[in-house]
Amino acid sequence: DIVMTQSPDSLAVSLGERATINCKSSQSVLYSSINKNYLAWYQQKPGQPPKLLIYWASTRESGVPDRFIGSGSGTDFTLTISSLQAEDVALYYCQQYYGTPQTFGQGTKVEIK
Amino acid sequence: EVQLVQSGAEVKKPGESLKISCKGSGYTFTTYWIGWVRQMPGKGLEWMGIIYPGDSDTRYSPSFQGQVTISVDKSISTAYLQWGSLKASDTAMYYCARPPKTGTTYAFDIWGQGTMVTVSS
Repeated sequence: DIVMTQSPDSLAVSLGERATINCKSSQSVLYSSINKNYLAWYQQKPGQPPKLLIYWASTRESGVPDRFIGSGSGTDFTLTISSLQAEDVALYYCQQYYGTPQTFGQGTKVEIK
Repeated sequence: EVQLVQSGAEVKKPGESLKISCKGSGYTFTTYWIGWVRQMPGKGLEWMGIIYPGDSDTRYSPSFQGQVTISVDKSISTAYLQWGSLKASDTAMYYCARPPKTGTTYAFDIWGQGTMVTVSS
């Protein structure tokens, strides 16, 4: 299985400041023939199912605010919230869909400082 | 509106069997894979497996192979997750989810509301 490791486990950021979450995969999730990284990011708030934010590592899902930015390639990826809003308090997960089983990172909790 | 609606919460005893459901609506059910994801209390997301309703092609995570069965009844646009003999460690929230593109298994953009399964003696 491809192991996804997120860092940090939690972070506290002031409103309006940048939040950065890292995700590292144990092997590359770049499908080089089509130059696509099989990597998604989700947001989960308490009592709700996850919400897809980013897929193909950097493509924002329709309706997701542009303050959510996905970047990276190969084995190292980043989700940046460029200006943290109160409604962004949540757990964030990366997921690889390159191999079966698909696997998720352990999650990163984002809070307001 | 595209949606997945799951069956209600269950409380079971160890050793009992269970089948939970996930009904799709608002789209062509047979052309999108449906996956199942486990979330144990206070823990992260675990991909359990995925099924293609069109031909019942099913793929399991090795962690769940033999522990659960994923099936589908395309005549009623419903996917299922079932256990033959529940354990206390099966206590979790179970989500069904659908990828954004027909015929692909890439990520999940539509999620059910979740079914909480509690196994306790």
